[in-house]
Amino acid sequence: EPEVTQTPSHQVTQMGQEVILRCVPISNHLYFYWYRQILGQKVEFLVSFYNNEISEKSEIFDDQFSVERPDGSNFTLKIRSTKLEDSAMYFCASSDSRTSGGDTGELFFGEGSRLTVL
Amino acid sequence: GENVEQHPSTLSVQEGDSAVIKCTYSDSASNYFPWYKQELGKRPQLIIDIRSNVGEKKDQRIAVTLNKTAKHFSLHITETQPEDSAVYFCAVSLYGNNRLAFGKGNQVVVIP
Repeated sequence: EPEVTQTPSHQVTQMGQEVILRCVPISNHLYFYWYRQILGQKVEFLVSFYNNEISEKSEIFDDQFSVERPDGSNFTLKIRSTKLEDSAMYFCASSDSRTSGGDTGELFFGEGSRLTVL
Repeated sequence: GENVEQHPSTLSVQEGDSAVIKCTYSDSASNYFPWYKQELGKRPQLIIDIRSNVGEKKDQRIAVTLNKTAKHFSLHITETQPEDSAVYFCAVSLYGNNRLAFGKGNQVVVIP
């Protein structure tokens, strides 16, 4: 069964450093997302991406964050200057809304990348 | 933004009994209501979902019921087993908007 893959599984970084989290969505999916989950809390939406541009972003997704689809398979999340409060599990997800007539389709999540900012 | 609440936060049930978790939402325009199961340290996985044109959906031991008037939907797990122990998140989205708003999760513990 196809699945979303993410690298690295765990990254430790110093405050102020740049971090890039990588994701390979399911190959025939059109919508891509980043969510984050601070330890013990709920999953929070960061950004959605469709047709090579951001379709929606949350208030969490400020100027320190950016996303990119550099080629036909990868989808990356960059945090320019990490803060302590960026420590969280970051989940990439993808969906194929064509299967639900343009309505919200099932989101398939990756295993997550745990970011620890010291 | 959409406000999603889940109750109870923790639920303990004896193996074989049923578990019911309720989720309330604020935006009456919401039309997609999935439930995700997350085991410790793992990814959230969809277990069942329902759309606003349906009142109930069942898949083996799992069912979801939707009350659009009252703006709540519930997850029902029958004949619970130890492997049902996990955190269950409800989520909500609007038509044409792929953004999911998640609740805070319910910890379900099935006691053997």
